[in-house]
Amino acid sequence: DQQVKQNSPSLSVQEGRISILNCDYTNSMFDYFLWYKKYPAEGPTFLISISSIKDKNEDGRFTVFLNKSAKHLSLHIVPSQPGDSAVYFCAASAPGANSKLTFGKGITLSVRP
Amino acid sequence: SQTIHQWPATLVQPVGSPLSLECTVEGTSNPNLYWYRQAAGRGLQLLFYSVGIGQISSEVPQNLSASRPQDRQFILSSKKLLLSDSGFYLCAWSWTPPYEQYFGPGTRLTVT
Repeated sequence: DQQVKQNSPSLSVQEGRISILNCDYTNSMFDYFLWYKKYPAEGPTFLISISSIKDKNEDGRFTVFLNKSAKHLSLHIVPSQPGDSAVYFCAASAPGANSKLTFGKGITLSVRP
Repeated sequence: SQTIHQWPATLVQPVGSPLSLECTVEGTSNPNLYWYRQAAGRGLQLLFYSVGIGQISSEVPQNLSASRPQDRQFILSSKKLLLSDSGFYLCAWSWTPPYEQYFGPGTRLTVT
């Protein structure tokens, strides 16, 4: 049972436009959500996170939106740059889970120059 | 600042051979430690996590084991590798809270 789902395996966007990466979850106990970026043959890098008490968190070009009623979150990248091309993982954590994260399968973002 | 190291970076091993991957964290004490595997075209699968020395929790029954002999050292082992053990192995650390985990550079394991 996949509790964190990234249903679109890939996304291609023109440089300078907005990239919107989506993530859905099924476990209503999740209260903290994170996005990671991963280049090939490297470890994932933490990008941005959001607590369930918020519906938006912004950090530079990256904004994460959380819709708890829909159990849906999204990562917006504006403007998109070629260096943003990577695999993006959505992850979630529940209280008392010893910081264990449940990851989605990832979305491959390609930003075209 | 904190730094996490993994070695080796790449490894090619025959089926049935043993395995030992090492992970160390610098610049912090008593971190939570994690081992993940990313199989080709798949997401990140949590294999083991540890909240302290000698405390190991296994997430998925398999051919692997983990140990934490020191506060900032985490080791992933196998007595006999299977072809299905091939993948990209990642170590990560975190505090509790917050929930952010920070990953090492990974080890690419190919079992032939």
